[in-house]
Amino acid sequence: DIQMTQSPSSLSASVGDRVTITCRASQGISDYLAWYQQKPGKVPELLIYAASTLQSGVPSRFSGSGAGTDFTLTISSLQPEDVATYYCQKYNNAPYTFGQGTKLEIK
Amino acid sequence: EVQLVESGGDIIQPGGPLRLSCAASGFSFSSYWMHWVRQAPGKGLVWVSRINSDASSTAYADLVKGRFTISRDNAKNTLYLQMNSLRAEDTAVYYCVRGWRGVGVLNAFDIWGQGTMVTVSS
Repeated sequence: DIQMTQSPSSLSASVGDRVTITCRASQGISDYLAWYQQKPGKVPELLIYAASTLQSGVPSRFSGSGAGTDFTLTISSLQPEDVATYYCQKYNNAPYTFGQGTKLEIK
Repeated sequence: EVQLVESGGDIIQPGGPLRLSCAASGFSFSSYWMHWVRQAPGKGLVWVSRINSDASSTAYADLVKGRFTISRDNAKNTLYLQMNSLRAEDTAVYYCVRGWRGVGVLNAFDIWGQGTMVTVSS
């Protein structure tokens, strides 16, 4: 099975900072990579699919890139409401593995 | 409004069975592949199981294979997860999630229910 590894596991940044989270697949998954945001106490929400396509309603400060095995989620200017745990996921076939998550906090 | 509403979560003793349900509304349920995803307290997301649109194909995570069964009733717009031989490590919030719409480009998990809590404890 393909493993999904995120880094870092946690991250603290200041409002306005550019934040980058990486996700690596143990084998190539083309662009079948999604990013989810889970705010504290809330249900996960889809942010990005197909590695770089923003889900409807997601602020443009979020962006995704990558293909194959290496992917990146970038927040161009961190806002207080972005405090959350972020997960990557491969969704091309079973098992639909999630990364372990990256907890983002405000410094 | 597109909505998924789970029910059936409970406190159950180890070894016992439990069935979760997920009522779908606001979209063509019978067209979509559906999933169950779980999250243990304070932990990350774990994909559990998937069923295709006409229930002809299912898939399971290794940690539940042989114990859990996913099914659906398209006439009732309802997804199910039958869980048997429950273990303490199955304790989690279980989310019902919408997946691929069955045609065209694969899409990610775009609609999530609020989740239902399953606690396995003696």
